[in-house]
Amino acid sequence: DQQVKQNSPSLSVQEGRISILNCDYTNSMFDYFLWYKKYPAEGPTFLISISSIKDKNEDGRFTVFLNKSAKHLSLHIVPSQPGDSAVYFCAARRKGFQKLVFGTGTRLLVSP
Amino acid sequence: EPEVTQTPSHQVTQMGQEVILRCVPISNHLYFYWYRQILGQKVEFLVSFYNNEISEKSEIFDDQFSVERPDGSNFTLKIRSTKLEDSAMYFCASSEESGVVDTQYFGPGTRLTVL
Repeated sequence: DQQVKQNSPSLSVQEGRISILNCDYTNSMFDYFLWYKKYPAEGPTFLISISSIKDKNEDGRFTVFLNKSAKHLSLHIVPSQPGDSAVYFCAARRKGFQKLVFGTGTRLLVSP
Repeated sequence: EPEVTQTPSHQVTQMGQEVILRCVPISNHLYFYWYRQILGQKVEFLVSFYNNEISEKSEIFDDQFSVERPDGSNFTLKIRSTKLEDSAMYFCASSEESGVVDTQYFGPGTRLTVL
């Protein structure tokens, strides 16, 4: 199931700089997108979401951008902090369904 | 802040044995889910549950699996006869509703090891 892809397995950023995590999808029926953060031995923690009727959603240091024509979304973290170091998962849901389809995750490392 | 809890955190079982994984969803949530993550792979949807019945399931969720809400707080996943390939992290999730802007909140997971 390759409907949601995160092509970068890892990303290293310095503290204070911007982190940009990318996600691509193939199913045009997806109408709701979420980003989760996951630490080892813990469950995914919800970060931010966006509906397909919007192209941007912002919550504090986190902003998600959705480009429907390119079937691409990105998560921006500004400024990045060492505590942001985790695996970030993009997930998508199709209208009328409850199932979340996850990407493979990107491991973010924020160094001091 | 309310959270989803799961027990046990780690379950070791012999192949062919039955296991029951338990979850307590967030109290005012109406939709409940199970996902799993095999080591090194994606998080995969298993099943969703609403109003005491399965509302959606994946092809992974075959006759070996069942879910139940035995009382007002618990939500369980039973694997009838475990296989080696059932070894994974199992995550329970819940959501308040299932509308367009619904968000699923996950528990910490149960690591299932089948020997």
